[in-house]
Amino acid sequence: EAQVTQNPRYLITVTGKKLTVTCSQNMNHEYMSWYRQDPGLGLRQIYYSMNVEVTDKGDVPEGYKVSRKEKRNFPLILESPSPNQTSLYFCASSPLGRANEKLFFGSGTQLSVL
Amino acid sequence: RKEVEQDPGPFNVPEGATVAFNCTYSNSASQSFFWYRQDCRKEPKLLMSVYSSGNEDGRFTAQLNRASQYISLLIRDSKLSDSATYLCVVTLILTGGGNKLTFGTGTQLKVEL
Repeated sequence: EAQVTQNPRYLITVTGKKLTVTCSQNMNHEYMSWYRQDPGLGLRQIYYSMNVEVTDKGDVPEGYKVSRKEKRNFPLILESPSPNQTSLYFCASSPLGRANEKLFFGSGTQLSVL
Repeated sequence: RKEVEQDPGPFNVPEGATVAFNCTYSNSASQSFFWYRQDCRKEPKLLMSVYSSGNEDGRFTAQLNRASQYISLLIRDSKLSDSATYLCVVTLILTGGGNKLTFGTGTQLKVEL
């Protein structure tokens, strides 16, 4: 089944403890992206990647890192999480990252930073 | 002004009603437009793309008005299962390649018996 897989689904951590949220897609998509969703603010892009070893900042990249060493994986890294990073996170992918393409989303990761 | 604006709702409608949502965007150079559906705390899923000529998919009709910079979604004969949040998405092609997707905050629809 074609899908984007995110893990974990729920994560509670404490301030400053490094964490990684994994994202993997099995559709051979070149484009992958991370979003966070907060009440009243909609989905905001954190980072995106047009292909392997190519990553760019989105609208809210501060406090996050990403890597794209393989086409299928695009992990989101929080080196030192803070409470303002408590949010619902979504990974997404599309075939080539073109403007008219459908985005395929993972099922989300609800992160709470205490 | 926000790049993409939607009325957050909620729109509470009886089953069988027709309901319409609008979404306005600020950048006239925006290229592609979509409606996504999101159920509570779940991933957004594409409902339909929006074309200049308008397009219909069953009970759903989407329209684009470039002159007034808004898109609309019409749902006819509402079902209980239509209850969800509807996200407007606007894409801008960036100089130098790539594109930027901007999501609206969503309009919540509740269909009631």
